[in-house]
Amino acid sequence: DTGVSQDPRHKITKRGQNVTFRCDPISEHNRLYWYRQTLGQGPEFLTYFQNEAQLEKSRLLSDRFSAERPKGSFSTLEIQRTEQGDSAMYLCASSLSLVGYTFGSGTRLTVV
Amino acid sequence: QQPVQSPQAVILREGEDAVINCSSSKALYSVHWYRQKHGEAPVFLMILLKGGEQKGHEKISASFNEKKQQSSLYLTASQLSYSGTYFCGTEAKETSGSRLTFGEGTQLTVNP
Repeated sequence: DTGVSQDPRHKITKRGQNVTFRCDPISEHNRLYWYRQTLGQGPEFLTYFQNEAQLEKSRLLSDRFSAERPKGSFSTLEIQRTEQGDSAMYLCASSLSLVGYTFGSGTRLTVV
Repeated sequence: QQPVQSPQAVILREGEDAVINCSSSKALYSVHWYRQKHGEAPVFLMILLKGGEQKGHEKISASFNEKKQQSSLYLTASQLSYSGTYFCGTEAKETSGSRLTFGEGTQLTVNP
């Protein structure tokens, strides 16, 4: 069990550029979640997969955000045409049913 | 809707006790508790699945009042290592088996 891995750890991008983040969950976990966290706030739900199926996407999420989990393994989160308001820590977590989440270390995005 | 945590912050001396409360406006399926240290990912502490359930983890325990849609986290004989931000995450019955909604967090500081 190597935990949840996220890549990159930090990303600085210019406004308007596209960015993609990767998450490798714990291999036995069938559920994968993406959250966003800003300073002083709790994690905010973005989207959730069970195996390869995307079961829920936050209504707060604009069409610029898309996530995939091909073959129920790793997942990617893409943000198109980034805006300064997208600057945050993007957290990935995985779990099995009825147990706690294991979070990755996150990807810190800074849009300049 | 986001659960409400209280207090927002608490400062203790080593050895003192603290209680952190989490309240939801929705009927709850489960409550999770996490601790996050500065610059790190949230770490799972415990999950409560049944009304009236109480659990313990070292000197940290929690209770879940299903009827009142509330949970409390109890930290006894606090240690310096308990410092961090504590988040409750709630799973609503209407979305059971889905994802957590996190509170804004309670910042706990334990001083020598």
